[in-house]
Amino acid sequence: GIQVEQSPPDLILQEGANSTLRCNFSDSVNNLQWFHQNPWGQLINLFYIPSGTKQNGRLSATTVATERYSLLYISSSQTTDSGVYFCAVSTSGTYKYIFGTGTRLKVLA
Amino acid sequence: EAQVTQNPRYLITVTGKKLTVTCSQNMNHEYMSWYRQDPGLGLRQIYYSMNVEVTDKGDVPEGYKVSRKEKRNFPLILESPSPNQTSLYFCASRDRAVYSNQPQHFGDGTRLSIL
Repeated sequence: GIQVEQSPPDLILQEGANSTLRCNFSDSVNNLQWFHQNPWGQLINLFYIPSGTKQNGRLSATTVATERYSLLYISSSQTTDSGVYFCAVSTSGTYKYIFGTGTRLKVLA
Repeated sequence: EAQVTQNPRYLITVTGKKLTVTCSQNMNHEYMSWYRQDPGLGLRQIYYSMNVEVTDKGDVPEGYKVSRKEKRNFPLILESPSPNQTSLYFCASRDRAVYSNQPQHFGDGTRLSIL
């Protein structure tokens, strides 16, 4: 089955810094989402981005489907950005979702 | 407000005592799914449902049952819970089942502890 790898596994930033999180997948996908899991455990939907580029405030994401990766950019990070970031993919013809193991981000004040 | 609602949010129980975690969505979504999240293992899919009376196994279905008698509800049943089912559980829904290029919407999670 499809493999989903995220990097880096852990990231510590000073407030105000920028960061790039990466999601690599081993097969073609037609569904890719980025989530932020906050300290209370809630999964917050950031982007639905099977291809192309999207932006939402300080966050943006790019998926290059032909090269099988997606990037999540966080600019001017804030302490409230701390948590775990997951990507999740699904492939055409299947109804299963596969999550990456996540990137744990800590933003220091 | 469009949402996926799980209950209970927290539960501590004992081995072997049957329990049900309910999941309800108000978006008329066809597709619903259950996941468990464990440290170091990320989120793994337990079961999913394409529509009423249509369910299938995900990657970790052992020890769980589901039913989909109504479109809005997708309960997760643990007939005889064991400590290795202690986990954080999420329910999710998506608009169309067959055409999977739609985002999933997640509930707030249910933290189960089986003693």
